[in-house]
Amino acid sequence: GQNIDQPTEMTATEGAIVQINCTYQTSGFNGLFWYQQHAGEAPTFLSYNVLDGLEEKGRFSSFLSRSKGYSYLLLKELQMKDSASYLCAVRDSNYQLIWGAGTKLIIKP
Amino acid sequence: GAVVSQHPSRVICKSGTSVKIECRSLDFQATTMFWYRQFPKKSLMLMATSNEGSKATYEQGVEKDKFLINHASLTLSTLTVTSAHPEDSSFYICSATGTSDPLEQYFGPGTRLTVT
Repeated sequence: GQNIDQPTEMTATEGAIVQINCTYQTSGFNGLFWYQQHAGEAPTFLSYNVLDGLEEKGRFSSFLSRSKGYSYLLLKELQMKDSASYLCAVRDSNYQLIWGAGTKLIIKP
Repeated sequence: GAVVSQHPSRVICKSGTSVKIECRSLDFQATTMFWYRQFPKKSLMLMATSNEGSKATYEQGVEKDKFLINHASLTLSTLTVTSAHPEDSSFYICSATGTSDPLEQYFGPGTRLTVT
């Protein structure tokens, strides 16, 4: 079956760095997405990786290793507004998005 | 960026009634729209994929006669929850695929449905 694993919850301190990991087992691979979802709101697109390596976008970076079925989202200079759930999603060979359960990130002052 | 609207944002209805939720792509044409359901503290659950002008493709376990989806134009898809029951209470979110790579999904703000 298809499976996306990410930690349920993480806690970090304002101003620090946090890395949220995602491992996947899917039928084929056509890209990995990271989305941010604040409580009670819809997800918003953060990043996309289809080739191995690191994609940097401001304070957020996303890394992919296809051979390991592994990705991480790196958040730097954490701000209180970064408190949210972070969803990892993989697009399989049928171009279907397979969603992880999300990682709830709690930022403490 | 692409904007997707959803209406209503919140709705309360009585058991046995039907509720229609609209999803619109405001500044792009969406040949494909998706309908998700999300329970508290759970991940998104894809209900169906909707292509303009054709019947929606429902995920396993989703009753197509209960959750009617219509995608009549390139900018509008509707989800009708028929004969709603309290267990249908949930957060319903639509999304639409962009027109260029990487074809990420743009999400509407969601509709909170409460069935009493």
